Amino acid sequence: AQSVAQPEDQVNVAEGNPLTVKCTYSVSGNPYLFWYVQYPNRGLQFLLKYITGDNLVKGSYGFEAEFNKSQTSFHLKKPSALVSDSALYFCAVVADSWGKLQFGAGTQVVVTP
Amino acid sequence: KAGVTQTPRYLIKTRGQQVTLSCSPISGHRSVSWYQQTPGQGLQFLFEYFSETQRNKGNFPGRFSGRQFSNSRSEMNVSTLELGDSALYLCASEDGTDTQYFGPGTRLTVL
Repeated sequence: AQSVAQPEDQVNVAEGNPLTVKCTYSVSGNPYLFWYVQYPNRGLQFLLKYITGDNLVKGSYGFEAEFNKSQTSFHLKKPSALVSDSALYFCAVVADSWGKLQFGAGTQVVVTP
Repeated sequence: KAGVTQTPRYLIKTRGQQVTLSCSPISGHRSVSWYQQTPGQGLQFLFEYFSETQRNKGNFPGRFSGRQFSNSRSEMNVSTLELGDSALYLCASEDGTDTQYFGPGTRLTVL
């Protein structure tokens, strides 16, 4: 079965510093991987996805993610974090069935001024 | 294009009642999926509809049901509500490339 894991419940970073949110995956075949962000009392917003091609994927709001097949990882990164990046971040993989995304537990990002 | 819309945004019900939630997908999207989000269980897949047919279903009891209309709008119904059904219910429509776009959710509170 396809799955993703987010090893950190929370990541704390100072504004202006680099931000990394970790995700590892376990899939059979080629992985379709996604990152979403959720602000309080809101739905999930799509940030970026990896289907195939370049290992470095660029997405919305200055975020990017690096696909690493040997380490089965898909870490989300931002070179310079903003206070407004404080939110809950989810990594997800397309499960082996229609219309189903398998989500990680989520990582709370806290960016302090 | 307008995003995914969900109505109502908030609901308060009592145990034993039933509830119907509505979702309008992004124009042109034919696949609609539903998820339940709770602090304890995280995001869990409920079901997915495509062209009015349920193609996939998660591990939820039969009290949870859904349907999709010819205009791709979808509804989900929960009968005989339990306290544990309190959650944020998210609807997502898919653009044909496995990318799902989510609505703002319906916050259901069961008293």
